[in-house]
Amino acid sequence: DQQVKQNSPSLSVQEGRISILNCDYTNSMFDYFLWYKKYPAEGPTFLISISSIKDKNEDGRFTVFLNKSAKHLSLHIVPSQPGDSAVYFCAASANNNDMRFGAGTRLTVKP
Amino acid sequence: EAGVAQSPRYKIIEKRQSVAFWCNPISGHATLYWYQQILGQGPKLLIQFQNNGVVDDSQLPKDRFSAERLKGVDSTLKIQPAKLEDSAVYLCASSLAPGETQYFGPGTRLLVL
Repeated sequence: DQQVKQNSPSLSVQEGRISILNCDYTNSMFDYFLWYKKYPAEGPTFLISISSIKDKNEDGRFTVFLNKSAKHLSLHIVPSQPGDSAVYFCAASANNNDMRFGAGTRLTVKP
Repeated sequence: EAGVAQSPRYKIIEKRQSVAFWCNPISGHATLYWYQQILGQGPKLLIQFQNNGVVDDSQLPKDRFSAERLKGVDSTLKIQPAKLEDSAVYLCASSLAPGETQYFGPGTRLLVL
């Protein structure tokens, strides 16, 4: 069962522009959402998170938006840099347990 | 601070053989997770430990997979016997407590022929 979906397998943007990565979920019990970034041959690294009581969380160039009514979250990267090129995973959990991951979106930032 | 360590990094075995993976979490992290990541998919939780006790193993194929964390620190994940569909990257992660940020190791890439 795919409770967390990332429908875009890949995204390509120009350096300096905004990258928007999207994620949809089906389980209304999810109360904590995260984005992880993964480089080849490495494990995922935590990027940013948001609790269901918020609709926005910002950390430097990274902002996560949560729309609970639409069961949708997005990650904005502004401005995008070539070093941001990686696979980005959306993840969600309920009651601190059983984190579910999306299939990932491969972001390529072109110089 | 040292990260999550995993070994081996790569393993190639034939189907029906057995294999074991090892994980050393970040010091002081009580919660340890094993994930399976099949190519083109996101990580799927196999088992979650809190200290040396199992919190969640609902997605662990218990007929062939087993895991232990005897002293509440290191953990091993075993597959016996392996099937072709077990080919994947096996990721170990740890966190201070359930719900806290999970830190992942580099993973073990398993190929079953």
